[in-house]
Amino acid sequence: AQRVTQPEKLLSVFKGAPVELKCNYSYSGSPELFWYVQYSRQRLQLLLRHISRESIKGFTADLNKGETSFHLKKPFAQEEDSAMYYCALSDSGYSTLTFGKGTMLLVSP
Amino acid sequence: SAVISQKPSRDICQRGTSLTIQCQVDSQVTMMFWYRQQPGQSLTLIATANQGSEATYESGFVIDKFPISRPNLTFSTLTVSNMSPEDSSIYLCSVREFLNIQYFGAGTRLSVL
Repeated sequence: AQRVTQPEKLLSVFKGAPVELKCNYSYSGSPELFWYVQYSRQRLQLLLRHISRESIKGFTADLNKGETSFHLKKPFAQEEDSAMYYCALSDSGYSTLTFGKGTMLLVSP
Repeated sequence: SAVISQKPSRDICQRGTSLTIQCQVDSQVTMMFWYRQQPGQSLTLIATANQGSEATYESGFVIDKFPISRPNLTFSTLTVSNMSPEDSSIYLCSVREFLNIQYFGAGTRLSVL
């Protein structure tokens, strides 16, 4: 069975500090990995996906198959980055998403 | 991306009653999903709503408790039947579009007394 682990419930940093939100997964095939974000009073939305290898709002994430990780990073956090972040895995054949429990990121001024 | 309207946005219901949640999409989509997010927990997939056939339920979820309709490619409903306080959750619908990306509705916050 596929599983996504986000070990931190809460990550609190100061503005300008680097951020790394951890995500590890368990899956026997070739997964698709995503990061979703939910800002206060907004709906869940896609932040980025590993296949696209993009940088969105300064965030990047690299899939490390050896360590089965997909950590989300940003070199300089901004207050507007404060939100709930969910790592998710898709079985590309069936297309359902398995979510981690989420990490709340709080960026203080 | 698809625009998803979900209603009601919230409701307070009595134990033993049922609530039907609607999900409307502004374009035709093949894959629609229903999730539950219990307080302090992550999203759990309830079922995949299939157009023209029965929904595909995940382990731990049954049709008698969560009947789903999908009459066409733009609309689906989820009913939470014979509710108990343990059903108090946020229920979300989502659609899958190009590049295997899912888009979510704003959710229905359900409280059962």
